[in-house]
Amino acid sequence: AQTVTQSQPEMSVQEAETVTLSCTYDTSESDYYLFWYKQPPSRQMILVIRQEAYKQQNATENRFSVNFQKAAKSFSLKISDSQLGDAAMYFCAYRSALPASNTGNQFYFGTGTSLTVIP
Amino acid sequence: DTGVSQNPRHKITKRGQNVTFRCDPISEHNRLYWYRQTLGQGPEFLTYFQNEAQLEKSRLLSDRFSAERPKGSFSTLEIQRTEQGDSAMYLCASSGRGRTDTQYFGPGTRLTVL
Repeated sequence: AQTVTQSQPEMSVQEAETVTLSCTYDTSESDYYLFWYKQPPSRQMILVIRQEAYKQQNATENRFSVNFQKAAKSFSLKISDSQLGDAAMYFCAYRSALPASNTGNQFYFGTGTSLTVIP
Repeated sequence: DTGVSQNPRHKITKRGQNVTFRCDPISEHNRLYWYRQTLGQGPEFLTYFQNEAQLEKSRLLSDRFSAERPKGSFSTLEIQRTEQGDSAMYLCASSGRGRTDTQYFGPGTRLTVL
């Protein structure tokens, strides 16, 4: 089974500064998707950004960008100009790109990184 | 699009009781997923439906757990003879057609077993 590792249980960043959250994964597949989800306290999980493994270009969504290193199986999230509303638990997730009828539909999540934004 | 909804949001029950949770996915989504999340952990996959068919079940899903999606719309997750170890957040997610669709999560049902 695929595994996703987030080695930073907690991170903090000064408001308006930049922070990078790390994620590594283990898979033997060549086609897959990677995601970062944000889960604010007592609130539901929200998609932050998505990356298709076959795309070499790193995904970006406004202040959020990723550094996808396929050979190294690394998928870090960079948050620029951090805002107080960015404070949350961030989860990295992996999903196989196998056809829908196979076992590739579930997400594999890391254990999360708790991000604190300091005013 | 009203998003994924789950009811109840919180459930407190005594050990040995049965509980049932409901998930209403985004209306045009044909895939529905259940996850369990314990404190300090990421969500763990429980089961997956495509329309009304249950296509995947995790080994985490013991015989006490059963899930249904009778008409391919809402889904229910039932836990029989609850145990204290069942205390967790139960998350539901849905996704649309096609390989590249992303899962959208509901707010979860927090279960506490006393």
